[in-house]
Amino acid sequence: DAGVIQSPRHEVTEMGQEVTLRCKPISGHNSLFWYRQTMMRGLELLIYFNNNVPIDDSGMPEDRFSAKMPNASFSTLKIQPSEPRDSAVYFCASKLAGGFNEQFFGPGTRLTVL
Amino acid sequence: SQQGEEDPQALSIQEGENATMNCSYKTSINNLQWYRQNSGRGLVHLILIRSNEREKHSGRLRVTLDTSKKSSSLLITASRAADTASYFCATDGGNFNKFYFGSGTKLNVKP
Repeated sequence: DAGVIQSPRHEVTEMGQEVTLRCKPISGHNSLFWYRQTMMRGLELLIYFNNNVPIDDSGMPEDRFSAKMPNASFSTLKIQPSEPRDSAVYFCASKLAGGFNEQFFGPGTRLTVL
Repeated sequence: SQQGEEDPQALSIQEGENATMNCSYKTSINNLQWYRQNSGRGLVHLILIRSNEREKHSGRLRVTLDTSKKSSSLLITASRAADTASYFCATDGGNFNKFYFGSGTKLNVKP
């Protein structure tokens, strides 16, 4: 298995632009997580899905952030409009739901908003 | 916050020495996990310890868990330069699916 796949790996955009980050979880995993990592705030859970359904989005910072999971093999995290303070590394992770299971992380998308 | 907090924030040792890092958390848990993050990479799972376990080993890794003190420690024995990375503990806060990560310990192993 190729592991969790994220695209793009790097994104540089200007303030006000829409940004869409993509994630393909490991086949067979039914939980998917979006995290944001910054020096100041560490690793923050933004939202997670079970069986394509959003379960907890309490970590989504503002209405500018939205996430979807239209099917078991694809998820997006959208920021519209983007702001400089959104600059961070965004990670997607997947796991088997429930039980004592580990999360598998993707390589991350480094977002820079100018 | 339910996050685990690692201590120390940074640790520098010589190759061959042992490295110990600690994690404290606030709520009850089902399990606690340790992850490693190499610079510029995603996190990689190292080891999981269940709330009813007190100690677990995996290769050069030894993890302990004290639920009464809400703390865990990760020991890396005979460290290598390749162990240089940041190490994070993650707790599930009683929810198998929602994990809280600490701020990490940055380990530097000098050759």
